Amino acid sequence: EAQVTQNPRYLITVTGKKLTVTCSQNMNHEYMSWYRQDPGLGLRQIYYSMNVEVTDKGDVPEGYKVSRKEKRNFPLILESPSPNQTSLYFCASSLSAGWTEAFFGQGTRLTVV
Amino acid sequence: DQQVKQNSPSLSVQEGRISILNCDYTNSMFDYFLWYKKYPAEGPTFLISISSIKDKNEDGRFTVFLNKSAKHLSLHIVPSQPGDSAVYFCAARAETSGSRLTFGEGTQLTVNP
Repeated sequence: EAQVTQNPRYLITVTGKKLTVTCSQNMNHEYMSWYRQDPGLGLRQIYYSMNVEVTDKGDVPEGYKVSRKEKRNFPLILESPSPNQTSLYFCASSLSAGWTEAFFGQGTRLTVV
Repeated sequence: DQQVKQNSPSLSVQEGRISILNCDYTNSMFDYFLWYKKYPAEGPTFLISISSIKDKNEDGRFTVFLNKSAKHLSLHIVPSQPGDSAVYFCAARAETSGSRLTFGEGTQLTVNP
């Protein structure tokens, strides 16, 4: 089954404690991306990747890091989380840059206290 | 600076009637537009897209209209069904921006039986 898997689904952490949200896709897609969803703001792109070792900033990259060492994995790293990073995060993958036929993960609900 | 705006946070329609969801954009470089649907506790799923060289694209009950001069697009769902109740996101990309995707805030559609 084609899917994008994010882990964990829910996470409560404290300010400043480094965390990683993993994302894995099984469709051999070249394009992957991270989004955060906040009330009244919709989905905002954090980072995206066009292929292994190729990443670029989206609209809201501050406070986040990503890596793309393998095609299937695209982890999101928060080196020093802050309360304003409390949000619902989605990972997505796509065969093309057009993001049609994109697959999204089920989301990670992160709370930073 | 919200470059893609969905001014209606919610829309309620009767089953069988037409649903019209609207989206406005400000960036004239956007040349490709997409609509995604999102159910609670799930990631968004791609619904339909349109290139800026077209003014209409139809897929079954879903039609997207693009008015470039007004920088406006709309999604029509005819006939609306209760299973269409979801949050609908409009998104846009510019070919010059690689795979950056800008989303609107979303519109909650409720179709009443």
